[in-house]
Amino acid sequence: EPEVTQTPSHQVTQMGQEVILRCVPISNHLYFYWYRQILGQKVEFLVSFYNNEISEKSEIFDDQFSVERPDGSNFTLKIRSTKLEDSAMYFCASTVIRTEAFFGQGTRLTVV
Amino acid sequence: DAKTTQPNSMESNEEEPVHLPCNHSTISGTDYIHWYRQLPSQGPEYVIHGLTSNVNNRMASLAIAEDRKSSTLILHRATLRDAAVYYCILRDAPGGSEKLVFGKGTKLTVNP
Repeated sequence: EPEVTQTPSHQVTQMGQEVILRCVPISNHLYFYWYRQILGQKVEFLVSFYNNEISEKSEIFDDQFSVERPDGSNFTLKIRSTKLEDSAMYFCASTVIRTEAFFGQGTRLTVV
Repeated sequence: DAKTTQPNSMESNEEEPVHLPCNHSTISGTDYIHWYRQLPSQGPEYVIHGLTSNVNNRMASLAIAEDRKSSTLILHRATLRDAAVYYCILRDAPGGSEKLVFGKGTKLTVNP
């Protein structure tokens, strides 16, 4: 069965450093998403991406965050200057026509 | 975002049916009812979705009330692998918002 792949599975970074989280969505999917889940809390929407541009973003997705689809297969989330409160699981998701969304296994980001 | 209400937790015994309720009294005519689940330490996983009619797939059944103000996810024979948090989510029709808005969900415990 096709799956969304995320790397790394765990990233530890120092406060103020830049991190890039990587995702390989399912190959024929058109819509891409990032969500995050702080430990013990709800899954929160960050951003959706379609046709090489952001189609929707949440209040969480401020100027510190950016997304890119650099080569037609990878979909990345960059956090420019990490804060302690950015520590969370980050999930990538993709879908064909916005019905069934497939999620990756997540990247656990720990900011120290 | 249209809201859903689910019990915080439910318990079931293995091999028995489980009925997970969801109230969505403010649902609009074009909202689809989606169910996802999140197993421990994993990303969310699509379960089923529907608009008006009851739906069945290999994982579960979805029973939708005639007035669409509530729905029930039915697991016909619970297994230990079904222990997860189950989320009932209303999603706009294509052309509306693309994001999935996760609530706290129902934590299902399956007893052997």
